[in-house]
Amino acid sequence: DADVTQTPRNRITKTGKRIMLECSQTKGHDRMYWYRQDPGLGLRLIYYSFDVKDINKGEISDGYSVSRQAQAKFSLSLESAIPNQTALYFCATSGRGQGVVGTDTQYFGPGTRLTVL
Amino acid sequence: SQQGEEDPQALSIQEGENATMNCSYKTSINNLQWYRQNSGRGLVHLILIRSNEREKHSGRLRVTLDTSKKSSSLLITASRAADTASYFCATVLATDSWGKLQFGAGTQVVVTP
Repeated sequence: DADVTQTPRNRITKTGKRIMLECSQTKGHDRMYWYRQDPGLGLRLIYYSFDVKDINKGEISDGYSVSRQAQAKFSLSLESAIPNQTALYFCATSGRGQGVVGTDTQYFGPGTRLTVL
Repeated sequence: SQQGEEDPQALSIQEGENATMNCSYKTSINNLQWYRQNSGRGLVHLILIRSNEREKHSGRLRVTLDTSKKSSSLLITASRAADTASYFCATVLATDSWGKLQFGAGTQVVVTP
């Protein structure tokens, strides 16, 4: 079984709809991230969470919200989807203690392809 | 603007040849990581090099880091068709105690049999 899973894998929706993307992990990691990827571009950080009580905005948080329901679950919501939110969305996890500088590897889910019409 | 930029944007080679791609960054780093992404899939970590390291190897991969030039290179030796993928560098800034990654736009590598 995959360590980081995302649901749904594909979603087509209409402008104005509320959408939730879900991420679960079995790696026991404390840190979780949401990224979006647009064609020809690298990944851009939307939100990140370093434990259940901690939520932080990333580079492009406008139009998105997140919820860390448990250490293993981190969901991303689009309150009112718009066409320019059409992208590939990735969840990732890493494990590290708070305040430790260094050298974390991130583990990615398979992605959710979202299309907003 | 992005912290890391890969060069070239695309690379086409034949099986058995070596593939080299470069990453330049703007701000001092704690470490630099390389990831591979097969088409439409999640990223897979390949190798991590710390700011005090100059070279690391992992199987057919060789990574170098030149902090004076703020650049890194990834060499894949004896490439195989299965190496066809996009390769991304990602940096952790020296000022970031939380270790967030900043990604470049990637190099798309095609290896033909």
